[in-house]
Amino acid sequence: KNEVEQSPQNLTAQEGEFITINCSYSVGISALHWLQQHPGGGIVSLFMLSSGKKKHGRLIATINIQEKHSSLHITASHPRDSAVYICAVRRGGSQGNLIFGKGTKLSVKP
Amino acid sequence: ETGVTQSPTHLIKTRGQQVTLRCSSQSGHNTVSWYQQALGQGPQFIFQYYREEENGRGNFPPRFSGLQFPNYSSELNVNALELDDSALYLCASSLDGQNIQYFGAGTRLSVL
Repeated sequence: KNEVEQSPQNLTAQEGEFITINCSYSVGISALHWLQQHPGGGIVSLFMLSSGKKKHGRLIATINIQEKHSSLHITASHPRDSAVYICAVRRGGSQGNLIFGKGTKLSVKP
Repeated sequence: ETGVTQSPTHLIKTRGQQVTLRCSSQSGHNTVSWYQQALGQGPQFIFQYYREEENGRGNFPPRFSGLQFPNYSSELNVNALELDDSALYLCASSLDGQNIQYFGAGTRLSVL
């Protein structure tokens, strides 16, 4: 079993829909990251969370430390949101390496 | 634009050859991590360098080695390439004491 599990693996939505991507992890962490990867490989960091909730534009990330679960929400989805969304956790201190989920491939249709 | 650059962007090698991938960190960042991402998978941690010393290693064989230079740029070397080494190799830089990592666009390695 992977230490970081994401669901769903693939997601197709219509433009304007509210989207939720889930991440569960089984290890103790110091922080959880949500990352966006576009075709061609470049990865952009969206959020880093250690508790509670963060919001940036149409993106919202929440984390429940007790339940070892995080969600990434996209409101009013748009075709440009199409990408792979990856959850990664940091185990240990600030120099600890990241453990990645396999990613959720999101496709938003116009 | 993260300020982290990797070279080359694409590379084709044959089995048994050796390869060197390069990463230039964001200015002032003293920590660099290397990851391997196979097709359809999440990145896997290879190793991390902090102030020119290896500071953690994932489950990769010794033929994967690295180097960090005084200017904090970094190299990933892979000897005796195998077909399964075909992947996207990502580097990420960060500053001591901070959690946020900034990723480069990656080097796509194909081993034939």
